[in-house]
Amino acid sequence: DVKVTQSSRYLVKRTGEKVFLECVQDMDHENMFWYRQDPGLGLRLIYFSYDVKMKEKGDIPEGYSVSREKKERFSLILESASTNQTSMYLCASSLSTGGREQYFGPGTRLTVT
Amino acid sequence: GENVEQHPSTLSVQEGDSAVIKCTYSDSASNYFPWYKQELGKRPQLIIDIRSNVGEKKDQRIAVTLNKTAKHFSLHITETQPEDSAVYFCAASIRNYGQNFVFGPGTRLSVLP
Repeated sequence: DVKVTQSSRYLVKRTGEKVFLECVQDMDHENMFWYRQDPGLGLRLIYFSYDVKMKEKGDIPEGYSVSREKKERFSLILESASTNQTSMYLCASSLSTGGREQYFGPGTRLTVT
Repeated sequence: GENVEQHPSTLSVQEGDSAVIKCTYSDSASNYFPWYKQELGKRPQLIIDIRSNVGEKKDQRIAVTLNKTAKHFSLHITETQPEDSAVYFCAASIRNYGQNFVFGPGTRLSVLP
């Protein structure tokens, strides 16, 4: 069974804190993605990675960075959390060949106060 | 870059009726169009997809149609059931990074008993 897990379901942080969101997949997928989900805006891509050590900016990378040291793990970092980063964060992974289905994690609801 | 619009934003139908959700995309280079369903509190999951070399695809009660000339595609759900109630997202692949998608803003479907 396909498994994408995220480190926390709910997280509350203060403005200015450094925040780490972790995502782990056990399917040996090459591609990993971080999205944020806001009502009426759908899923917006923050960063993606097609391989270990590789990272590329998505559509809304400002205020975020990522790390991919191992194939199965993709971390999203908020260097200095701000209230406008309060959102649902979803991680996804997919194979680089064959079908392009993205498998999503359960999401982390982050609140920045 | 790619832009995906989705209509309607909310849709209510009586159980047993059909539901249609429409999306348009901007980049003629897009060649893969998935649809994801997200039930309340759960992760998005792929329900059907279509590639640009196909005009229609069916899977039991759901079908997707694609008009490449007009750059729009639609999701059709027949004989709706209460368990079809969810948010549905369409997406389109993007040029240069074919594994990446741009998602529409979502349609909240409510199936009324």
